[in-house]
Amino acid sequence: AQKITQTQPGMFVQEKEAVTLDCTYDTSDPSYGLFWYKQPSSGEMIFLIYQGSYDQQNATEGRYSLNFQKARKSANLVISASQLGDSAMYFCAMIQGGATNKLIFGTGTLLAVQP
Amino acid sequence: EAGVTQFPSHSVIEKGQTVTLRCDPISGHDNLYWYRRVMGKEIKFLLHFVKESKQDESGMPNNRFLAERTGGTYSTLKVQPAELEDSGVYFCASSWAATYGYTFGSGTRLTVV
Repeated sequence: AQKITQTQPGMFVQEKEAVTLDCTYDTSDPSYGLFWYKQPSSGEMIFLIYQGSYDQQNATEGRYSLNFQKARKSANLVISASQLGDSAMYFCAMIQGGATNKLIFGTGTLLAVQP
Repeated sequence: EAGVTQFPSHSVIEKGQTVTLRCDPISGHDNLYWYRRVMGKEIKFLLHFVKESKQDESGMPNNRFLAERTGGTYSTLKVQPAELEDSGVYFCASSWAATYGYTFGSGTRLTVV
């Protein structure tokens, strides 16, 4: 069965420093997609970054990059130059193929950026 | 363009009562998804509509949950009768195609007391 594991319930980082949020996944499907979402205290789910299983390069979006290590089945999110506004819950998710394309989520990591 | 809108944003009801959650997807998005996050656990898929048809409802917990999407526009998720374990945040998402372009709403926080 497909599964996403986020082992860090909470993380602290100093403002302007980089932080890595861990995500490992399990799937037997050779074709899959991996996402990171941010959920601030206001509640909405904000898409951050996407990595396809066949993508040759790691995905980057501004200060966000995804450290994709396929052999290890890990898709860690790296946030560079943390800002106070980065304080939020972060979810790693995998898209399950088929007609539905439903997302499978991890339990999330609560990131707190300290001034 | 307007995003995915969910309301109410919060709902507190007593056990045994009925609650209806509503989701307005982005205009033109045929795919609509419902997800739920119970406190401290992962966000779980409930069901998927393509227009007005249920494509996949494998995540619906039991028959106390009824989802509809009349006319392929907005969707409602009714819980009747509500139980304590139904408490959580219910998210709706929509996409133009069943690929990767999900847009989530802000969620409805349901508390059953």
